[in-house]
Amino acid sequence: GNSVTQMEGPVTLSEEAFLTINCTYTATGYPSLFWYVQYPGEGLQLLLKATKADDKGSNKGFEATYRKETTSFHLEKGSVQVSDSAVYFCALRGTGTASKLTFGTGTRLQVML
Amino acid sequence: GAVVSQHPSRVICKSGTSVKIECRSLDFQATTMFWYRQFPKQSLMLMATSNEGSKATYEQGVEKDKFLINHASLTLSTLTVTSAHPEDSSFYICSASVSGVNHEQYFGPGTRLTVT
Repeated sequence: GNSVTQMEGPVTLSEEAFLTINCTYTATGYPSLFWYVQYPGEGLQLLLKATKADDKGSNKGFEATYRKETTSFHLEKGSVQVSDSAVYFCALRGTGTASKLTFGTGTRLQVML
Repeated sequence: GAVVSQHPSRVICKSGTSVKIECRSLDFQATTMFWYRQFPKQSLMLMATSNEGSKATYEQGVEKDKFLINHASLTLSTLTVTSAHPEDSSFYICSASVSGVNHEQYFGPGTRLTVT
């Protein structure tokens, strides 16, 4: 079956530091890949997505590239802010699975001044 | 736009009682709603998918008689945990999508259920 593995948190960084949150997946076919963010007390929000190999999703300074050869979709940001503190979920939607999402365990990011 | 609400945000109930959680799409009509369960430090686990006006499709291992799902309108789905037990304590999250197939899901803020 499909699965998503992401690095455990919490990740604690100083403001303006570089962020990488690793995500690897297992799936048959050509899944779509997503990063969701959950701010405290709020629901999950779609941060970015990529639907085919070598696609780069980007939003709010965050980027992730769909790497089929390494089955990865690592999230990066060049300079984090305190407001980026949240829990980040990597997810995939397999082919032919009618919108079903498979999530990673989530990585909590804490950005300090 | 695309806001999904859940009510209540937190609920405490006694063992053996039932509790209902509501999920509403506030500014769009959701043909499909999804219910997830999240354990501490674990992934969101899909429990069931419901389409408006039809019976929910439950994932393997999820008891349909224990977790009753109703999707009576295009803006409301409910999850009723029947005869709750402490092991049902968890964080329940709903999401809603417009077309239901390969379309973005919009998530609610979740409901924390504690069964004493």
